[in-house]
Amino acid sequence: GAGVSQSPSNKVTEKGKDVELRCDPISGHTALYWYRQSLGQGLEFLIYFQGNSAPDKSGLPSDRFSAERTGGSVSTLTIQRTQQEDSAVYLCASSFWDPGTEAFFGQGTRLTVV
Amino acid sequence: AQTVTQSQPEMSVQEAETVTLSCTYDTSESDYYLFWYKQPPSRQMILVIRQEAYKQQNATENRFSVNFQKAAKSFSLKISDSQLGDAAMYFCAYPQGGSEKLVFGKGTKLTVNP
Repeated sequence: GAGVSQSPSNKVTEKGKDVELRCDPISGHTALYWYRQSLGQGLEFLIYFQGNSAPDKSGLPSDRFSAERTGGSVSTLTIQRTQQEDSAVYLCASSFWDPGTEAFFGQGTRLTVV
Repeated sequence: AQTVTQSQPEMSVQEAETVTLSCTYDTSESDYYLFWYKQPPSRQMILVIRQEAYKQQNATENRFSVNFQKAAKSFSLKISDSQLGDAAMYFCAYPQGGSEKLVFGKGTKLTVNP
């Protein structure tokens, strides 16, 4: 596709279950980012990838959160043993590896933990 | 710590009027980029305008312009001839540490009144 695609758009899960959120970046974009946006809040940085490697994982809130990227393309953010405080919109973005380049965002996955 | 601060959680403007959204940032870098992103209710983040720090001339994109004060580390967004479609959350962003890790402010919710 022409843009960043995230799936699912919405996810409702029970507390304690694991969830996987998927991001398909724009073809050719080497940088990929994950952010979390709680209701009415700004974007909280989670992790970014340069190719398949993640130079900075400092934003991951706990060891229940992990992410991987394969083939320099698709990325998966996994949340294990979900908690209610994990409820948020998870946004993915991709860009070329250039500090001044525009980051293109997906429409996000709204995660609700009940 | 390198941070981005948006001091106005909410702003409102009358249609056709001008509004300015403020942003300050903290960096030790000498050359960097700054961005304003717009997030309408659809959640899709869209780049509004970017500024290269080494350029003294303020960036302009149609009705959107910035007032970049490097010494003061200030990067405000001016929206002229405001339109109903400008209503959205606006986020100021900065690539932290010269890397591609985009750090966002907490956002300003802009309401445009008819």
